[in-house]
Amino acid sequence: DVKVTQSSRYLVKRTGEKVFLECVQDMDHENMFWYRQDPGLGLRLIYFSYDVKMKEKGDIPEGYSVSREKKERFSLILESASTNQTSMYLCATKTGGLYGYTFGSGTRLTVV
Amino acid sequence: DQQVKQNSPSLSVQEGRISILNCDYTNSMFDYFLWYKKYPAEGPTFLISISSIKDKNEDGRFTVFLNKSAKHLSLHIVPSQPGDSAVYFCACPTGTASKLTFGTGTRLQVTL
Repeated sequence: DVKVTQSSRYLVKRTGEKVFLECVQDMDHENMFWYRQDPGLGLRLIYFSYDVKMKEKGDIPEGYSVSREKKERFSLILESASTNQTSMYLCATKTGGLYGYTFGSGTRLTVV
Repeated sequence: DQQVKQNSPSLSVQEGRISILNCDYTNSMFDYFLWYKKYPAEGPTFLISISSIKDKNEDGRFTVFLNKSAKHLSLHIVPSQPGDSAVYFCACPTGTASKLTFGTGTRLQVTL
């Protein structure tokens, strides 16, 4: 089974800090995704990548950027953290079948 | 504008009874639908899916029904068990690169 690992389960950062969220998959999957989960809003797509150095904006990319220098690693960057970016962040990779995703366990980020 | 909607944020059902979770979508061109289940502090996991060429798909205690004319799908869990208590998201592919759009989620609580 594919494994998707998010480096931190909990993070607390200050307003204005630059924040890096890391995600690593242990297979050779091309498509990787970053979502955030908020109560009442469900899962919303921030950015996705379909290959190394290839990225596309999702539905809510403002305030975020991403990096994919190696196939197994997809990083989400908060350029200047703000309190409205307090959320649960979930990384996923498409693992096969029709639209089968495997998610990481999530990073709960609090911006104070 | 939400393309995939789950209008019930929460649902409480007694153990052994049927749980029915609902999902509505806006675009009649959507042709594949999935349900994911999420426990706290874990990533969502795939539960069941359905193609628009079918109106029903069954997997053990879980059945998904699709009503294309109403642009509505529902997930039935029979019989409900306490371990089914989780947040359930419906999702469908939208756009390119296997991108999934998720609904807002329904929190199911199965009581003893």
